[in-house]
Amino acid sequence: DSGVTQTPKHLITATGQRVTLRCSPRSGDLSVYWYQQSLDQGLQFLIQYYNGEERAKGNILERFSAQQFPDLHSELNLSSLELGDSALYFCASSVGLAQETQYFGPGTRLLVL
Amino acid sequence: ILNVEQSPQSLHVQEGDSTNFTCSFPSSNFYALHWYRWETAKSPEALFVMTLNGDEKKKGRISATLNTKEGYSYLYIKGSQPEDSATYLCARSHSGSARQLTFGSGTQLTVLP
Repeated sequence: DSGVTQTPKHLITATGQRVTLRCSPRSGDLSVYWYQQSLDQGLQFLIQYYNGEERAKGNILERFSAQQFPDLHSELNLSSLELGDSALYFCASSVGLAQETQYFGPGTRLLVL
Repeated sequence: ILNVEQSPQSLHVQEGDSTNFTCSFPSSNFYALHWYRWETAKSPEALFVMTLNGDEKKKGRISATLNTKEGYSYLYIKGSQPEDSATYLCARSHSGSARQLTFGSGTQLTVLP
C-alpha cells in the first residue's frame, strides 16, 4: 500500500458524460501527478500540481481539467467523454519537487460505452 | 534517442536464471531515472531512483546501474523467482522545476517454475 488513495476504483459511463476522479496523496506529500494508461499506449503524463498550483502539463486534452485543493487532495475532471477516453487513470504523489520518488495510487479504471 | 525505450519487450526465463533489461533515454536535460515494478491488477511500485552517472542501486536480488552520458540504465535480477513476474518500467524525469515522468513501454518478465 503506497498511501495514495484513489476513488472510485471503477467507473462505467456513457459517451458525452462528465466524471470526476479523486486522489488523496500520501500524508505530507505536496506534489500530485495524473497519468493515463490506455490499451495501446504506455503511461502518459497528464498534469502535475504542487501545493495547490499547476506545475506542468503533458498531453492533457482540453476536455480534461484538474485541480488541487487546500487539503492537497486532487480531482481530475473528464468531460464530453469519448470511447477513446477509456483507460486506467493513475494518481501519484511525491514529497515536493526535490524528492524524486513518486508513489502511485491503485488507479481508477474508466470505461466509456 | 527522443523517447524512453526499453528492451526486450517481453522475456520468459526459468526459475533461478539471472536476467537483465535495458532502458535507453535522451541524455540531454536529464534529472533522474526511475525503475518501477508493476504487477497485474496493482499499481506501479517504486524500485529505484538514480540521478548520478555511475550510480548503482541494489534491493535484495534486484540491482540497477545508470549511465547518464550515453543515456542508458540496466536492471538486473539475480536468481529469478516466479514472484518476480511483472512488468518493469523505467521512466525519466527532466531538469527544470517540474518532475513529471516519461515512461518507457516496459519489459514484461515471466519467470517459469
